[in-house]
Amino acid sequence: EAGVAQSPRYKIIEKRQSVAFWCNPISGHATLYWYQQILGQGPKLLIQFQNNGVVDDSQLPKDRFSAERLKGVDSTLKIQPAKLEDSAVYLCASSLGGDSYGYTFGSGTRLTVV
Amino acid sequence: GENVEQHPSTLSVQEGDSAVIKCTYSDSASNYFPWYKQELGKGPQLIIDIRSNVGEKKDQRIAVTLNKTAKHFSLHITETQPEDSAVYFCAAPDTGRRALTFGSGTRLQVQP
Repeated sequence: EAGVAQSPRYKIIEKRQSVAFWCNPISGHATLYWYQQILGQGPKLLIQFQNNGVVDDSQLPKDRFSAERLKGVDSTLKIQPAKLEDSAVYLCASSLGGDSYGYTFGSGTRLTVV
Repeated sequence: GENVEQHPSTLSVQEGDSAVIKCTYSDSASNYFPWYKQELGKGPQLIIDIRSNVGEKKDQRIAVTLNKTAKHFSLHITETQPEDSAVYFCAAPDTGRRALTFGSGTRLQVQP
């Protein structure tokens, strides 16, 4: 079974620039999550999709962050404009959904904002 | 929402010794408690989980115990090996948001 694919692996941008991350979940996984992991901390949920609908985006800074999940499969997370404090690893995870919390994580995208 | 606290933040043991990491949670409706291992440059990987209808679960050298009354659960690693060195995260579901809330992590260093 293929894992969760994320790209790019690394990205360095200047503050106020924009950036986008891509995620391809495990086939058949209805639920997709984006987490932000700041260095030395645990992952923090940004947004959760069930198929192509948003379940929870209460912790997404909507003035600068946006996300979509087209056709209930791939997802993109965008930051515009980026701030220094956005430097983190952005992790995508997927699960079967429902009462299944069995996450599979991708390797993440390490973002550095300078 | 769910609040998960994890300690210690760092743990150093000698190869062959045991390691214990503890977590507490706040949402009494939580019924699933996973542990993840994160190696450098990789995403977290599920290593063991437990549901609330059992008090202990073992898988070779790792085990998880759960005390629902006290709302805490622990990861036990026996006969530690250098390849166990990593950051370990506990998590619990925020039943209102239907997503996992993670602890702050424990960096385990196994000294050869």
